[in-house]
Amino acid sequence: QSVLTQPPSVSAAPGQKVTISCSGSSSNIGNNYVSWYQQLPGTAPKLLIYDNNKRPSEIPDRFSGSKSGTSATLGITGLQTGDEADYYCGTWDSSLSAGVFGGGTKLTVL
Amino acid sequence: QVQLVESGGGVVQPGGSLRLSCAESGFIFSSYGMHWVRQAPGKGLEWVAFIRYDGNNKDCADSVKGRFTISRDNSKNTLYLQMNSLRPEDTAVYYCAKDLSSSWFEGMDSWGQGTLVTVSS
Repeated sequence: QSVLTQPPSVSAAPGQKVTISCSGSSSNIGNNYVSWYQQLPGTAPKLLIYDNNKRPSEIPDRFSGSKSGTSATLGITGLQTGDEADYYCGTWDSSLSAGVFGGGTKLTVL
Repeated sequence: QVQLVESGGGVVQPGGSLRLSCAESGFIFSSYGMHWVRQAPGKGLEWVAFIRYDGNNKDCADSVKGRFTISRDNSKNTLYLQMNSLRPEDTAVYYCAKDLSSSWFEGMDSWGQGTLVTVSS
């Protein structure tokens, strides 16, 4: 059971938009920065979003992040088949003094 | 270009020990916090440990506390994970990852390729 809760799977058609939620508490998302990661099959994770809503320079603006209270959301627009991957949210938990990840969400582009 | 290369994985019996290493190049290693993250076969990411840029502050997950120790040698640009009293549930691919920050979890912007640790008799 992960500290952060994500839906196990989401799906959408190419060109469409999808959002992935990440729910936590005041000890983690509520008071710390959230980051998001994409993991393509058989590869290491890749940072998509940091500081809740900032993108590394190499990440296209199709990817966006937001945070409200104890929840965060990853948005992906203009879906491509290459976006099929597992997506994870992560943050620090001040009560646990530990990093925490969501359980991951598998994105299928139909 | 940032590069992180893990080594030291392998097959070990329950109760045994292993030391993982992560060698970096392409950035000022001594300026950034570093993490170990693991992924059991077919499972999600699990944060294992974090060490501050200067090695003076460390944190680890409850699941490994008292058994695993994270450390770093900034003179050798290398991160370590000493794993003792290994259990079958420690079987996973272990990744080292660089944080954007020197001292806290801001985001892991570079990852190694991972090294597989298998704990089995």
